[in-house]
Amino acid sequence: AQTVTQSQPEMSVQEAETVTLSCTYDTSESDYYLFWYKQPPSRQMILVIRQEAYKQQNATENRFSVNFQKAAKSFSLKISDSQLGDAAMYFCAYRSAHNTDKLIFGTGTRLQVFP
Amino acid sequence: DVKVTQSSRYLVKRTGEKVFLECVQDMDHENMFWYRQDPGLGLRLIYFSYDVKMKEKGDIPEGYSVSREKKERFSLILESASTNQTSMYLCASSLGSGNTIYFGEGSWLTVV
Repeated sequence: AQTVTQSQPEMSVQEAETVTLSCTYDTSESDYYLFWYKQPPSRQMILVIRQEAYKQQNATENRFSVNFQKAAKSFSLKISDSQLGDAAMYFCAYRSAHNTDKLIFGTGTRLQVFP
Repeated sequence: DVKVTQSSRYLVKRTGEKVFLECVQDMDHENMFWYRQDPGLGLRLIYFSYDVKMKEKGDIPEGYSVSREKKERFSLILESASTNQTSMYLCASSLGSGNTIYFGEGSWLTVV
């Protein structure tokens, strides 16, 4: 069975600085997707970024980028130029490419952003 | 924009009550999901459905059932609510395999 581990329950960053959230996963599959979701206090879960395992290039979405290390089964999220609106719970998630769209989530990292 | 609507945001129910949590999506998505979110445990899949009247158990189905009579609506049912089912419940949907999964705002359920 696949598992996702987020070892940082809480992180904090100063506004305009950079922060990296860690995620590791375990799977025997070679074809899968990885995601970072953001959950602000309003509770609406929002997709931040997505990475296909077959792609070597790291995904980037504006200030958000990932460091995908397939051999190490590591998938960290880097937030550059942090903003107050980035404060939220961040969840790393895994989805197999070979069955239905079930997402397997990590336990989440709460990010605080200080002015 | 895709909309996944959970009609009840906050509920308080008594132990032993039958509870219905409703979820509606407006984009003709095939797949729908119910997750439970607890601090320190992340999100855990309760049930999912890939078509009308089709359902599959997720990781924690005990104490829950689901109903999908229409494509746009996926209901989570607690036949006899217990205090350990106090939690936040999230509904989600997707068009199909490989597509983005969209979430509702969540339903806070307290069982007393």
